[in-house]
Amino acid sequence: EIVLTQSPGTLSLSPGERATLSCRASQIFRSNYLAWYQQKPGQAPRLLIFGVSSRATGIPDRFSGSGSGTDFTLTISRLEPEDFAVYYCQQYGSSHTFGQGTRLEIK
Amino acid sequence: QVQLQASGPGLVRPSETLSLTCNVSGGSITTYTYYWAWIRQPPGRGLEWIGSVYHGGRSYYNPSLRSRVTFSVDTSKNQFSLKMTSVTAADTALYYCVREVIQSYYHFDSWGPGTLVTVSS
Repeated sequence: EIVLTQSPGTLSLSPGERATLSCRASQIFRSNYLAWYQQKPGQAPRLLIFGVSSRATGIPDRFSGSGSGTDFTLTISRLEPEDFAVYYCQQYGSSHTFGQGTRLEIK
Repeated sequence: QVQLQASGPGLVRPSETLSLTCNVSGGSITTYTYYWAWIRQPPGRGLEWIGSVYHGGRSYYNPSLRSRVTFSVDTSKNQFSLKMTSVTAADTALYYCVREVIQSYYHFDSWGPGTLVTVSS
């Protein structure tokens, strides 16, 4: 099973700042099969990014994804108040796994 | 826009079988570009993929749950279902039914609101 490790566990930033979230895989998996989700309290996760860097429908362009191999990054260029949430990465190799999540909180 | 809604008993006794059904509206479950998945989230914890099923019945599973999980699809009702046997307290979670896109870098693009299942005597 491919293990995804997200860092940091918690990220404290202020609105307007840039957020950089990391997702590292325990081994290489199917090329580009990496997605990111946002989850707010009491809500289901929402797809942000798929295929490493493609934004899902309706996702603002302040969200961007990058990376290759085993190291991937979600960047939020300028934080809005509604961006404070938990973020998960997900990969598909022969099965799906999720990272443990990064909590983005207001500083 | 597709909507998914899971339903089933909110309380299941240990060692019994958990059964959930997901109703899909606003789109056909037979669309060839989608699988239909179950993902769960224990209270206060992260996400765990349980498995996915195609409308024709082909399925794939989380290896750690494979022996206890069965999926089914009812195309006439636009529904798919999950059965998980021999449940324990560790199976207590919010269960999401989710649409999985297989046309482009397998990912989960539409989620139901989730249904809480508690395993307790």
